[in-house]
Amino acid sequence: EVQLVESGGGLVKPGGSLRLSCAASGFTFSSSSMTWVRQAPGKGLEWLSCISSTSTYIYYADSVRGRFSISRDNAKNSVYLQLNSLRAEDTGVYYCARDREGAVAAYWGQGTLVTVSS
Amino acid sequence: DIQMTQSPSTLSASVGDRVTITCRASQSITDWLAWYQLKPGKAPKLLIYKASSLETGVPSRFSGSGSGTEFTLTISSLQPDDFATYYCHHYKSYPYSFGQGTKLEIK
Repeated sequence: EVQLVESGGGLVKPGGSLRLSCAASGFTFSSSSMTWVRQAPGKGLEWLSCISSTSTYIYYADSVRGRFSISRDNAKNSVYLQLNSLRAEDTGVYYCARDREGAVAAYWGQGTLVTVSS
Repeated sequence: DIQMTQSPSTLSASVGDRVTITCRASQSITDWLAWYQLKPGKAPKLLIYKASSLETGVPSRFSGSGSGTEFTLTISSLQPDDFATYYCHHYKSYPYSFGQGTKLEIK
């Protein structure tokens, strides 16, 4: 069974940083592209970033490019999202998801809450 | 960047109704479109991929159609478990994006 468990969320002041982690199990992690998506309170889903299986290809949404950084460790079956220069509008639930051939974000974790507030 | 416009934003319907949600892309995305269901406190769920392919385990009352710039998600006979928010999502080219969402409410 595919399992994705996010962690690392919490309360941080504007301008601060957080590192989100996503631990994967139940599939061949090293062969899968991974995606991060967020949902701000009362808002819709927002695609943030994705990383290919060998980290060769990395893409970001314009809203986070230059502030967020995605990475992965295939030996640890984990993907990460480094959040820097955080703003109030970055508040939300952050989800990691596994891509699959023909379908992106086919499997999702339960999410981790990030709150940016002074 | 490709923009996705979803309509309606809210839909009130009753159990047993047939409902349709529409998603329009700002340029052709061929069939690189997915539909997701989101419920509070739960992980989002993939329903449809490649515009019309039903994800394994998803009830057959869900169907997707369209290509190019116009897409629809249809639920043939609403069940109580279907009241949720639905999102379309293009994955034609980066950056990917979602529609604004459609909240399906009980009438």
